[in-house]
Amino acid sequence: KNQVEQSPQSLIILEGKNCTLQCNYTVSPFSNLRWYKQDTGRGPVSLTIMTFSENTKSNGRYTATLDADTKQSSLHITASQLSDSASYICVAVVSSGSARQLTFGSGTQLTVLP
Amino acid sequence: DAGVIQSPRHEVTEMGQEVTLRCKPISGHDYLFWYRQTMMRGLELLIYFNNNVPIDDSGMPEDRFSAKMPNASFSTLKIQPSEPRDSAVYFCASSDLGTTRFDNEQFFGPGTRLTVL
Repeated sequence: KNQVEQSPQSLIILEGKNCTLQCNYTVSPFSNLRWYKQDTGRGPVSLTIMTFSENTKSNGRYTATLDADTKQSSLHITASQLSDSASYICVAVVSSGSARQLTFGSGTQLTVLP
Repeated sequence: DAGVIQSPRHEVTEMGQEVTLRCKPISGHDYLFWYRQTMMRGLELLIYFNNNVPIDDSGMPEDRFSAKMPNASFSTLKIQPSEPRDSAVYFCASSDLGTTRFDNEQFFGPGTRLTVL
C-alpha cells in the first residue's frame, strides 16, 4: 500500500531559527516527490519537485533533500520568518505508464513565533 | 494571468441538494485536477483531466460525484445529492505539459469551502 508519513505533526519555533521537516514514503514505482506550503484558508503552493535522480533542490530559504534508497525526504527551512507559519505537505507521485497517482502526507503544521 | 479561478468560494447547502463547483484553469494548461481536503483525510485527488479528457477518476468517492470539462477553460464538479459528509474544501489545480508529462508544478486555486447541513 502506498503511504506517506510526515513528522512531526506540529512544530513551534522562534523566528530566525532553522527547522527540518521529515517525510518517509512507501510508494512504487516512484516518479517524483513534492513539497507544498499551504497557508490557512489558501490553496497549496508548490515549493519543490524532485525526481529520484535529484538529491537536493532549493527554493529560497527552503531546501528539500531526497534519498531514494531509504525513501526519505526532508524540508529544511533556514532563518524562519513569521510568514513561514503554514502546513507543509509532502506528496509522493507514483508512475504507471502515462497514469500518475498522488499519495499525500497529512502535513506538518509549523508555527513561527516572534 | 489571474491564476486558477474557483467559484463559489463558499457554499452552504442542505442535504439532498445539488451542488456545482466551478473552475477556470490557467490559460494554456492542459492538465486539470480536482482535490478534496478535510481535517480527517487531508488532501485527496478526486479526478484529473488531460486536454479536457478525464484520465483517472478512481478518487471520486461515489456515483454522487461527477466532473466535466467541456472545454479547455472550464470544469465543473457536481455532487448530487449532497450529504453532510461531503463537507470539505474542494480545490482545483492546473499544470502544463512541459517536458515531463504530468510531472510539472501544479497551481492551485483558492478552493471552495462546502458545508452541507
